[in-house]
Amino acid sequence: EVHLVESGGGLVKPGGSLRLSCAASGFRFRSYSMTWIRQAPGKGLEWISSIGSGSSYIYYAESVKDRFLISRDDAQNSLYLQMNSLRAEDTAVYYCAKSRPPDYWGQGTLVTVSS
Amino acid sequence: DIELTQTPLSSRVTLGQPASISCRSSQSLAHSDGNTYLSWLHQRPGQPPRLLVYKISNRFGVPDRFSGSGGGTDFTLNISRVEAEDVGVYYCMQSTHFPHTFGQGTKLEIK
Repeated sequence: EVHLVESGGGLVKPGGSLRLSCAASGFRFRSYSMTWIRQAPGKGLEWISSIGSGSSYIYYAESVKDRFLISRDDAQNSLYLQMNSLRAEDTAVYYCAKSRPPDYWGQGTLVTVSS
Repeated sequence: DIELTQTPLSSRVTLGQPASISCRSSQSLAHSDGNTYLSWLHQRPGQPPRLLVYKISNRFGVPDRFSGSGGGTDFTLNISRVEAEDVGVYYCMQSTHFPHTFGQGTKLEIK
């Protein structure tokens, strides 16, 4: 059974940094692309970033480009999102999702950017 | 960026009656590999989204009362007989072109 568990969310001040992690199990992690998607409170879904298998490609949304960094550790079956220069508008639940299109999703981790 | 426009944005349906959601893309979603990466997802309150349909019409572990159709820039999700568990928000998503994008969401309620 596929499991994705996000962690690392929390309250951070504007301009601060956070690193999100996504622990994957139940599938051959190294063979799949992975994606981060976020959802601001009461709002719709926003694709943030995707990384291909073997880090064959990396793409970012314009809203996070140059501030966020996606990475993966296939040995640890883990996906990461390093978030720098955080802004109030980055406040959201952050989901990691497997594959393209995203067929399995984690439960999400809440990131709140506020002073 | 590709814009996906869903209609309606909300719908109230009687149990057992059909429902239909449209998703129109600002550009063709046909990929050079021959596939069209248009998906439908469902999100219940307080839950993560769940994939329902991928590549226009392929169901992902959902009952056959859900069906997807369309091509090019116009796509539709049909629910043949709405059940109580179908309430929530439905999103279309394109993963043909980066950045991937979502429709605004359609809220389905029971009358």
